[in-house]
Amino acid sequence: AQTVTQSQPEMSVQEAETVTLSCTYDTSENNYYLFWYKQPPSRQMILVIRQEAYKQQNATENRFSVNFQKAAKSFSLKISDSQLGDTAMYFCAFMKPTGNQFYFGTGTSLTVIP
Amino acid sequence: EPEVTQTPSHQVTQMGQEVILRCVPISNHLYFYWYRQILGQKVEFLVSFYNNEISEKSEIFDDQFSVERPDGSNFTLKIRSTKLEDSAMYFCASSTGTATVNSPLHFGNGTRLTVT
Repeated sequence: AQTVTQSQPEMSVQEAETVTLSCTYDTSENNYYLFWYKQPPSRQMILVIRQEAYKQQNATENRFSVNFQKAAKSFSLKISDSQLGDTAMYFCAFMKPTGNQFYFGTGTSLTVIP
Repeated sequence: EPEVTQTPSHQVTQMGQEVILRCVPISNHLYFYWYRQILGQKVEFLVSFYNNEISEKSEIFDDQFSVERPDGSNFTLKIRSTKLEDSAMYFCASSTGTATVNSPLHFGNGTRLTVT
């Protein structure tokens, strides 16, 4: 079974600073997909960044980047130059290459402080 | 940018009643999903749907639940006899193909279901 663990229920960061959200997962699969989704107070789940496990290069999307450590089964999200609009719940998610089921972590509530 | 839309945004129902949650996926998407999030807990997979049939379902998706695509645009989740523990936020999602890193899920805003 696949499990996703987010060990930080709540975090805060000063505006313009950098913050890292942690995520670990457990799987016996060799290839899989990893995602970070953002859920702002508006409730909509928005894709932030995605990574394929067979790619060693860490994914980057503007101010968002990941540190993917396959051997350690770790997939942390770094947000640089934090903005007030980054305040949201962040979910790490895992997906096997076969099937369509996402496995989500319990989420990290991030607050950006002005 | 096209969006997944869900109605209603909030539904209150009495225990034992049937409820239908509605979703309009993105028009060129072929795969459809329902997830739920009990307050304060993680998002849980319920079911995926492709080519007018269920392709995967979780243990949560028991006989009380059913899904349907009654026409070319709507995708519904029906709960036949609601229980208090069905109170949750229900998210609909869709994707262009088998969910991969290149066709990730697009979620709606959710329907908050409150069972009293």
